[in-house]
Amino acid sequence: AQSVSQHNHHVILSEAASLELGCNYSYGGTVNLFWYVQYPGQHLQLLLKYFSGDPLVKGIKGFEAEFIKSKFSFNLRKPSVQWSDTAEYFCAVSHLSSGSARQLTFGSGTQLTVLP
Amino acid sequence: EPEVTQTPSHQVTQMGQEVILRCVPISNHLYFYWYRQILGQKVEFLVSFYNNEISEKSEIFDDRFSVERPDGSNFTLKIRSTKLEDSAMYFCASRLNQQNSPLHFGNGTRLTVT
Repeated sequence: AQSVSQHNHHVILSEAASLELGCNYSYGGTVNLFWYVQYPGQHLQLLLKYFSGDPLVKGIKGFEAEFIKSKFSFNLRKPSVQWSDTAEYFCAVSHLSSGSARQLTFGSGTQLTVLP
Repeated sequence: EPEVTQTPSHQVTQMGQEVILRCVPISNHLYFYWYRQILGQKVEFLVSFYNNEISEKSEIFDDRFSVERPDGSNFTLKIRSTKLEDSAMYFCASRLNQQNSPLHFGNGTRLTVT
């Protein structure tokens, strides 16, 4: 079974600091990769996704992620975080499963706290 | 922008009772999902639904769980004989197709079993 690992459970940064959240997955076949964000009290929202093509993908709110196939990684980055980026961030992977439903497998999440 | 809507936002029930969690997916979406997130844990897949039948389900989705799309707009999750460990946030999601469309999630229903 595939798994998704997020290395940092809680990251605390000051405003304007750079951010990198790690994500590694275990599945060896063709995968689709996602980062979702969950702001306090809100639902999961898609930040960015990778299906194919340029491994450096840009998402909303200045976030980007790089797919490195050889490392099975899809790390999330932002050059300068803001207080409003405080949220929980989930990496997720989907692949064509036996049920053909492309269900997502989520990582355990990283809580980002940005200090003003 | 169309959204996935879930009701209620919070449901409290006694152990052993039945609950129904309701979801209205985005209207032209074809694939529907339920996920849950126990407090402090990761989001876990429960079940996927396509063409009026379950496509896939996880080991969490035992015979106390069922899903239904009764009227072409609602997508419900029913849990019978609820247990304390069913307490979690339950998220409904939908997607347009399998190929290049991401999942859109609802706000979730917090289920508390006492």
